[in-house]
Amino acid sequence: DTEVTQTPKHLVMGMTNKKSLKCEQHMGHRAMYWYKQKAKKPPELMFVYSYEKLSINESVPSRFSPECPNSSLLNLHLHALQPEDSALYLCASSQDSKRYNEQFFGPGTRLTVL
Amino acid sequence: AQRVTQPEKLLSVFKGAPVELKCNYSYSGSPELFWYVQYSRQRLQLLLRHISRESIKGFTADLNKGETSFHLKKPFAQEEDSAMYYCALSLPSSSASKIIFGSGTRLSIRP
Repeated sequence: DTEVTQTPKHLVMGMTNKKSLKCEQHMGHRAMYWYKQKAKKPPELMFVYSYEKLSINESVPSRFSPECPNSSLLNLHLHALQPEDSALYLCASSQDSKRYNEQFFGPGTRLTVL
Repeated sequence: AQRVTQPEKLLSVFKGAPVELKCNYSYSGSPELFWYVQYSRQRLQLLLRHISRESIKGFTADLNKGETSFHLKKPFAQEEDSAMYYCALSLPSSSASKIIFGSGTRLSIRP
């Protein structure tokens, strides 16, 4: 399996809801990433996990809570989001977090916050 | 500050014409640069990286440290090249590297 999968494809939630985004890869990669992409903008890094440890948090608000239960899974827990958090959330993985490594991206979860 | 600049939001060329997508970067260290591409209804994927010095789908990109550029070139455009192209710079940090993307250039190939 050489793909990064993300579920759900679409998510609509209210500002008081709690939901989770899931990401999975079975390529043996040890680095995983969450990005946020607004319409007509490039992806912006949110979090980096390296060997299941949170290595980079790009000053993301605490209403976004990442979790890496094992080397194949990455979750993003959402709570009390704002309408401006509506975006495409991309997961990616790479062999490890060395600079020259290719990142493999998932198809994304399109999130709408009402 | 580290930055990646793609000056063209949209580039439209005729099939068979040469293509050049511009990318300039701002980074004081040794750069690790990539071109990522997103075709319609497909996921973002790597096109090429400067460390590999390879040609993918007829595209090449040469790192010019003097001009701090990493322009993407193809001598003869094909209709299937129409896509969104992002130039990206990988930065080191204490525990992991991270990528910053340019704003992207949408390439449209006219038949």
